[in-house]
Amino acid sequence: DVKVTQSSRYLVKRTGEKVFLECVQDMDHENMFWYRQDPGLGLRLIYFSYDVKMKEKGDIPEGYSVSREKKERFSLILESASTNQTSMYLCASSINEQFFGPGTRLTVL
Amino acid sequence: DQQVKQNSPSLSVQEGRISILNCDYTNSMFDYFLWYKKYPAEGPTFLISISSIKDKNEDGRFTVFLNKSAKHLSLHIVPSQPGDSAVYFCAASSLSNFGNEKLTFGTGTRLTIIP
Repeated sequence: DVKVTQSSRYLVKRTGEKVFLECVQDMDHENMFWYRQDPGLGLRLIYFSYDVKMKEKGDIPEGYSVSREKKERFSLILESASTNQTSMYLCASSINEQFFGPGTRLTVL
Repeated sequence: DQQVKQNSPSLSVQEGRISILNCDYTNSMFDYFLWYKKYPAEGPTFLISISSIKDKNEDGRFTVFLNKSAKHLSLHIVPSQPGDSAVYFCAASSLSNFGNEKLTFGTGTRLTIIP
């Protein structure tokens, strides 16, 4: 059974903090993705990676960075969290269709 | 610039009737389309897909129709069941991106099935 896990379901951080969101997949997929979901805006792609140590900017990369040191792990980093980064963050991995993790609801105060 | 649009943010349908969710796209390079279903506090799950070489794909109660000339696709659910209540996202990709599988998602339609 396919499995994408995210380190936290809920997270509360303060403005200016550095935030790490971790994602692990056990399907040996090459491709991994980070999205944010906001009401009325759907899912928007932040960054994606199609190989270890490779990364590509998505549609809204500003304020974020990523790390892919191992094939199974893709981390999203908020260098200095801001209130407009309060959102639901979804990680996915794919071979054809994308398989999603349960999401992390991040609140930045 | 919203390349994939779901113009109905919500839809209510009586149990047992047909649910029709619509999606429009603007990028003519898109040739592979998917529907995802999302329950609250869960990640989206893949439902059904269609490539541009077909105009219909069916899987049980779910059928996706593609009208390439109109750049329009729709998801039909029949009969609708209470467990179908969820947010449905349309997504599109270009098969020339195969290997990256970068998807562009719509804004979602919240479907409510009324018992």
